[in-house]
Amino acid sequence: GAVVSQHPSWVICKSGTSVKIECRSLDFQATTMFWYRQFPKQSLMLMATSNEGSKATYEQGVEKDKFLINHASLTLSTLTVTSAHPEDSSFYICSARDLQSLGQRMDTQYFGPGTRLTVL
Amino acid sequence: AQKITQTQPGMFVQEKEAVTLDCTYDTSDPSYGLFWYKQPSSGEMIFLIYQGSYDQQNATEGRYSLNFQKARKSANLVISASQLGDSAMYFCAPQAINTGTASKLTFGTGTRLQVTL
Repeated sequence: GAVVSQHPSWVICKSGTSVKIECRSLDFQATTMFWYRQFPKQSLMLMATSNEGSKATYEQGVEKDKFLINHASLTLSTLTVTSAHPEDSSFYICSARDLQSLGQRMDTQYFGPGTRLTVL
Repeated sequence: AQKITQTQPGMFVQEKEAVTLDCTYDTSDPSYGLFWYKQPSSGEMIFLIYQGSYDQQNATEGRYSLNFQKARKSANLVISASQLGDSAMYFCAPQAINTGTASKLTFGTGTRLQVTL
């Protein structure tokens, strides 16, 4: 099956520093990746849609200058949390859409295992 | 914006019994799909089952089945013969079907299922 990895799986950083999270599709090509954030006991909230070779599309209320997304290849998207603060502490999950699912019956997104960010 | 309602924040079910998790949604899209995901305490999102709005029959995948009522915009997940490993959060997520573009998922608030002995 399609596998998506995330790195790191957890990270602790000091307030004011930047943290980069990687999302990789290991055995398929993904023109589109999605970044979600999940606070404790809450649902997943879509932050942005990342398209290979173009600018990401951010959801309303998500600061694009704070959450930098780069999708430089068909298998890698990165999310950089700039000048992180304690309120950015959360579980960040990416998903990748299989290029092969374009036009298929089920537009499947494969999820990574998530990255737990703690900002001190 | 889509509104997805999972009215049961928490559910208990005894092992080997069946349980139904509710999901209603509000969409104006003529064609859409409905996903259910399971999220155990580890955090990973596990795909369970999918129903297309144009599918004539309710979807089934092993112990999972959907009670899909299109007119009511309802897609309840039925888990039969519950197992202890089914204890997790469950999310439903409708998705508009747009040929040629990636359609985002919008997740419901989730239901926490606890399977007891």
